[in-house]
Amino acid sequence: AQKVTQAQTEISVVEKEDVTLDCVYETRDTTYYLFWYKQPPSGELVFLIRRNSFDEQNEISGRYSWNFQKSTSSFNFTITASQVVDSAVYFCALRGSNSGYALNFGKGTSLLVTP
Amino acid sequence: NAGVTQTPKFRVLKTGQSMTLLCAQDMNHEYMYWYRQDPGMGLRLIHYSVGEGTTAKGEVPDGYNVSRLKKQNFLLGLESAAPSQTSVYFCASSRFGADTQYFGPGTRLTVL
Repeated sequence: AQKVTQAQTEISVVEKEDVTLDCVYETRDTTYYLFWYKQPPSGELVFLIRRNSFDEQNEISGRYSWNFQKSTSSFNFTITASQVVDSAVYFCALRGSNSGYALNFGKGTSLLVTP
Repeated sequence: NAGVTQTPKFRVLKTGQSMTLLCAQDMNHEYMYWYRQDPGMGLRLIHYSVGEGTTAKGEVPDGYNVSRLKKQNFLLGLESAAPSQTSVYFCASSRFGADTQYFGPGTRLTVL
């Protein structure tokens, strides 16, 4: 069975604060992929990052960074110096080899950044 | 490239009515998926297709049917809509199984 847990339902921060969104996953596959998607208030799903299970290097893209740790089955997402435009629902997802490589999503974390 | 498009964007149905949601992609992707998003539930897989002419059930397939007669189109049908099918429906596609999935803008369906 594949499962993704995003324990934080809602997070509220003030602009310029750093914020970390947690993601914990479960899988029996040895090869799998992890993803983060952003869903702004407009409703579309925006792809942010893909990471395969053999690559544990952390990644940084501008104010975004991701920490992948197989030992703790976690793939956490940090936004540095948050901005109001970062307000959105963020989904972590896991893809293994079942169901045509469909994504198993967490329930999402709603991030609100206030001025 | 338009990417992944969905028709319609919004729809209101009465219980028992039928309708078809259309997903189209212009990226020559092999794999296509239908998900539904409900409050507090994340996205759940309804049906998927790994190529033209093939379809398979996902996590929540009951009450839905699908067809993939053309590679670029993936249709989701509701034969007899029920209020429990009120949801936002997302279509996604990927080049192949291990590739990134790209999502359409979603269809908001309300069943009264």
